[in-house]
Amino acid sequence: LAKTTQPISMDSYEGQEVNITCSHNNIATNDYITWYQQFPSQGPRFIIQGYKTKVTNEVASLFIPADRKSSTLSLPRVSLSDTAVYYCLVGKYGGATNKLIFGTGTLLAVQP
Amino acid sequence: ETGVTQTPRHLVMGMTNKKSLKCEQHLGHNAMYWYKQSAKKPLELMFVYSLEERVENNSVPSRFSPECPNSSHLFLHLHTLQPEDSALYLCASSQVGQDPGANVLTFGAGSRLTVL
Repeated sequence: LAKTTQPISMDSYEGQEVNITCSHNNIATNDYITWYQQFPSQGPRFIIQGYKTKVTNEVASLFIPADRKSSTLSLPRVSLSDTAVYYCLVGKYGGATNKLIFGTGTLLAVQP
Repeated sequence: ETGVTQTPRHLVMGMTNKKSLKCEQHLGHNAMYWYKQSAKKPLELMFVYSLEERVENNSVPSRFSPECPNSSHLFLHLHTLQPEDSALYLCASSQVGQDPGANVLTFGAGSRLTVL
């Protein structure tokens, strides 16, 4: 299983763009990269998923370089409600079983 | 109901009690998961039921016993728990085998367990 490494915490201010980078040096060919957001006492919530290059949805963008050994979650113009823990997961699609392992995540604190 | 529903949301039990946590998913997914989240620790994968196959984290004590009677329901049976088992227990589901894309997990709101 590909291990992921993220910063433990980040600080930002409202209205700024936030970029959270995740390292996954031993990512496998058929692994996808998925990011989740978790608020206190709630289950994580899917944000975005990608395989290579760039993916954008209404919430965030995901940048993946050609070697796929890292990825960057970009949150445009954060607000106070974006304060949460952000997790990067690497896992393969398909298969009979999929042990999706969460790392420590990045605690993003957005200040006014 | 939609999504993943967990009951009860809060549970307080003594160390000699037997209780169960219930999870139900209304998404038509074919895999279900139990995760444990202790204070200031990462989510710990406990059990996976996927395509009728069960995968266990070998570090999970036998006082936790999962049951998956069908693809929509998942239980976690609890007996003779310890105070250190107090945590948020999260159920999730996903669709295994979809192409393209990895299994995207949909989580329930969790069951907050306190063991006295």
